[in-house]
Amino acid sequence: DAGITQSPRHKVTETGTPVTLRCHQTENHRYMYWYRQDPGHGLRLIHYSYGVKDTDKGEVSDGYSVSRSKTEDFLLTLESATSSQTSVYFCAISEGLTSGSLDNEQFFGPGTRLTVL
Amino acid sequence: SQQGEEDPQALSIQEGENATMNCSYKTSINNLQWYRQNSGRGLVHLILIRSNEREKHSGRLRVTLDTSKKSSSLLITASRAADTASYFCATDAGTGGFKTIFGAGTRLFVKA
Repeated sequence: DAGITQSPRHKVTETGTPVTLRCHQTENHRYMYWYRQDPGHGLRLIHYSYGVKDTDKGEVSDGYSVSRSKTEDFLLTLESATSSQTSVYFCAISEGLTSGSLDNEQFFGPGTRLTVL
Repeated sequence: SQQGEEDPQALSIQEGENATMNCSYKTSINNLQWYRQNSGRGLVHLILIRSNEREKHSGRLRVTLDTSKKSSSLLITASRAADTASYFCATDAGTGGFKTIFGAGTRLFVKA
């Protein structure tokens, strides 16, 4: 999985509790992404980061926040988990755009299965 | 709404047959990618085709891109049971590469 780990791999929590998921990379890639995957929806981008302390929203960012204090770590926080946030969460990384190229191949972590009761 | 939409949603074939999956998208793109996901695993990048390319090959994979029709196809030749997986197309939606928008995927089942 290209030097990407996610923790925890599985978590069950209750509605209203805060939850933090961690993504750690050893590839020194500039870009990091958080996606959620739900049946029938493919992968939907939650937030992404283009450098330390540089983050931006994706298409389904409501209810989620992120932080990136180091190149290798990207944290996803659910401040107050809801049942609609039950999903599989994937972290991905990419080198970013090099001069003259818009290619953005992404490498994915193994995923975190989150259940909110 | 999703940028990429795959067709069919599910496909079941015999080992040795070819599998073709299609992807349609809505906005202009710089490139289009195909990924594979085995059950319970993360996605794995298969191939990227740029907007100025019409066809690309990688092993048993052949990808075509028709920007006038905003569509792409992924052909897997001589399929194997190990090809059983979900396949996703993804585009940059003309965002300049920062964001990648995924479709809902095609589930391929190859019977041995």
